[in-house]
Parts: sequence; structure tokens; C-alpha cells
Amino acid sequence: NAGVTQTPKFRILKIGQSMTLQCAQDMNHNYMYWYRQDPGMGLKLIYYSVGAGITDKGEVPNGYNVSRSTTEDFPLRLELAAPSQTSVYFCASSYSIGPPWKDYGYTFGSGTRLTVV
Amino acid sequence: KNEVEQSPQNLTAQEGEFITINCSYSVGISALHWLQQHPGGGIVSLFMLSSGKKKHGRLIATINIQEKHSSLHITASHPRDSAVYICADGGGADGLTFGKGTHLIIQP
Repeated sequence: NAGVTQTPKFRILKIGQSMTLQCAQDMNHNYMYWYRQDPGMGLKLIYYSVGAGITDKGEVPNGYNVSRSTTEDFPLRLELAAPSQTSVYFCASSYSIGPPWKDYGYTFGSGTRLTVV
Repeated sequence: KNEVEQSPQNLTAQEGEFITINCSYSVGISALHWLQQHPGGGIVSLFMLSSGKKKHGRLIATINIQEKHSSLHITASHPRDSAVYICADGGGADGLTFGKGTHLIIQP
């Protein structure tokens, strides 16, 4: 099925460990995003990419890194995990921006629930 | 920086009621998105609109650009509509600005 695939769905990390959250889309979308969702807060943008080889910081990038070597994949790397990184992480993709408007919407992955202890 | 405010934060209603969720934003937008998130679940895009009104099944979204306000309506609400509804502003390459969401519970 076409869409955004995130792995893993759940993970528990110890403080100081590192891990990579995987995100892949098969819709040939050029824009991809990583968000985190904390209780009672709106989703916050961590990093985004407008195409292969191009990434940029969002609102809350500290403690994370990304890469975009292909159109399909956009992994998020956590280095030296901290309890403040306990959150639910969503990857998303979109195709078109700007006028003329089309009903493209955004496609989100199912999320990764990360706990750092 | 654009801010997106939703109201109410929580809403409990009886099955069959007409539901309205409101969204206000502070800066002129390029597109307004409505999203749905079921408990423990992923996020689904419901609507993207830049003017007027859109309808999909029992869901209706409207936007007033001059007043910087959008509403999501659910007609003939059903328990399966229970979810968090999120509005978000965006249309540029640098992602969306999200509201905190409205927790909707429809009781049978």
C-alpha cells in the first residue's frame, strides 16, 4: 500500500544510547518531515527535506540529525538520548506546495513511540 | 511566528449531535489543514483548504481568510468520530504549524 512507513513502532532507550528512526515513502513525494508530539502540545517540526540531498532544521532540531540520500528515505538519528526526547515521532511527506492549490494533503506515518529511561 | 489556536480543547457530545470545532490563526496563511488522530493511532489528513468550504461525507470544513478563522463540522456524529482533531497552518516547504488539538468524545 502506498504511504509512509515508520519503524520501529515502539522503542525504549537508555540515557546516552543512540538510535535511528526509519521513514520511507513510496509516493515519490519530494517533501518530507519529522515531527515530535508531546502530551498537551501541538506537533513540533524537528527537521525537513525538500528533496534528496537537501535538509534543514525545524523548530526543535537539537539532539537530532537527518539525512536524505534518496527521495524515498528520510531517517532521523538520535545521538546521546536524553529523557527530554521521550515523545511520539511522526514522519510525513507531501508533494506540492504553493499555488495553484491541489488536494494533495499530507501523508503521515503511524508514529514511533520512544521512551528514554 | 504564526500561532494556531483551537477551541474547544475538549468536547463530549451525544451521538447524532452536530459538532463544531474552531481554529484561529494569527498570520495570513497559504493553506489550512484539518487532521484526525485516533487514540494511539496515526494522523490522517482530512482537508486542506485555502478558501471557501469543502465537504467529505459527514465532515465539512470552512475557512474565512479575512477573519483568519476555520471551522470543522461533523454532522450526525457517531462514536467512531471520537478522536483528536487538529488544525494546522502551512503550505510552504518548511512544514506545518499545529494547533494543540481538540479531543472529541461522542457517547452512544
